[in-house]
Amino acid sequence: ETGVTQSPTHLIKTRGQQVTLRCSSQSGHNTVSWYQQALGQGPQFIFQYYREEENGRGNFPPRFSGLQFPNYSSELNVNALELDDSALYLCASSLGPFPGVTDTQYFGPGTRLTVL
Amino acid sequence: KQEVTQIPAALSVPEGENLVLNCSFTDSAIYNLQWFRQDPGKGLTSLLLIQSSQREQTSGRLNASLDKSSGRSTLYIAASQPGDSATYLCAVRGETGGFKTIFGAGTRLFVKA
Repeated sequence: ETGVTQSPTHLIKTRGQQVTLRCSSQSGHNTVSWYQQALGQGPQFIFQYYREEENGRGNFPPRFSGLQFPNYSSELNVNALELDDSALYLCASSLGPFPGVTDTQYFGPGTRLTVL
Repeated sequence: KQEVTQIPAALSVPEGENLVLNCSFTDSAIYNLQWFRQDPGKGLTSLLLIQSSQREQTSGRLNASLDKSSGRSTLYIAASQPGDSATYLCAVRGETGGFKTIFGAGTRLFVKA
């Protein structure tokens, strides 16, 4: 157990809808990162938040957005869903984004999103 | 742009065999490299983290090495067991580009009893 939880476990949406995925980090972990993992591929970095501010972003369009809250919870929001958004969405928490700090990332079990 | 490659893509071995999984990366400016295990449909479990200043890390039957200058890492698994069957992923966190973590596509390992 990593102490990182995600909800829901599975979700089915239709194209064009909006979705919110939730993550609860380990207590004390100020950094949360979100990843998209398509079937048979490695996770792709979406973005990272540190103390409620986005401080890193991968090659994902603006319809992917996030929030991080002071209570170590966070959200990933995806607007105008497309078929290619079907994937496993993973969040990971760590102590901080800076070198010299223990930087092991602890992953949640993921949310499986299917877009029809 | 950082790219991470893992070889082989899949591996099947008999129980008890020692094996090596390979990971290579194109940009040596990294903070750390982390090896993960992923069971089908599940999240990732951290196995070993190697900081850029380190050469290797060990945990039980696992040993990971890092050669930053050549852009290579290996994960050595001793005395493999059927319970080791999973996908093994390596990931590098770079010094540039906002602390992005870049993953390889993984090596699918099957250990036969």
